[in-house]
Amino acid sequence: QKEVEQDPGPLSVPEGAIVSLNCTYSNSAFQYFMWYRQYSRKGPELLMYTYSSGNKEDGRFTAQVDKSSKYISLFIRDSQPSDSATYLCAFGPGTALIFGKGTTLSVSS
Amino acid sequence: DSGVTQTPKHLITATGQRVTLRCSPRSGDLSVYWYQQSLDQGLQFLIQYYNGEERAKGNILERFSAQQFPDLHSELNLSSLELGDSALYFCASSVGASGGRLQETQYFGPGTRLLVL
Repeated sequence: QKEVEQDPGPLSVPEGAIVSLNCTYSNSAFQYFMWYRQYSRKGPELLMYTYSSGNKEDGRFTAQVDKSSKYISLFIRDSQPSDSATYLCAFGPGTALIFGKGTTLSVSS
Repeated sequence: DSGVTQTPKHLITATGQRVTLRCSPRSGDLSVYWYQQSLDQGLQFLIQYYNGEERAKGNILERFSAQQFPDLHSELNLSSLELGDSALYFCASSVGASGGRLQETQYFGPGTRLLVL
């Protein structure tokens, strides 16, 4: 079983749609949960950082963590063409973050 | 803009050659991390330096080495390059050193795209 599983997509949605991105993990030691956004030919940019189970909201973005199911999600409301990017889940603690392989999202206008 | 800078942006070289990638962390950050990103492997941790000292090693090949200088910039040296070393190389920085139960937020630079022909 892989330590982190993330559906690579691609995921194509129309502008204004609600997007759900998901990762599952197997390591019970993971306590920190992050989502990074990576535009083409750019470095990963931290979007959301959560420590505990539950929801965290930041504007149009909501991160959800379910430790009992070892499942995390990122919801994007009212998606925009500027949200088109690859979204990477990442886990800690640790020196190295453990990343999913990323889901590529395309939002069409 | 994360505040982490990397040079060069692109690098094209031949097999067997040696290259050096440079990273300057965000102001005030003491830790530098190097990651390799390829299509099949995703983002893989290579090595971390904290305030000039090697702190942790990941899946770094023996042909690769790194160092962090007194001004906290870091260099990643890749030698005897092979076709399979073609990838994006990212540097990230954080204020402190993650470890144990602590997770420092890592901020990534724009990366260096290496192509080995």
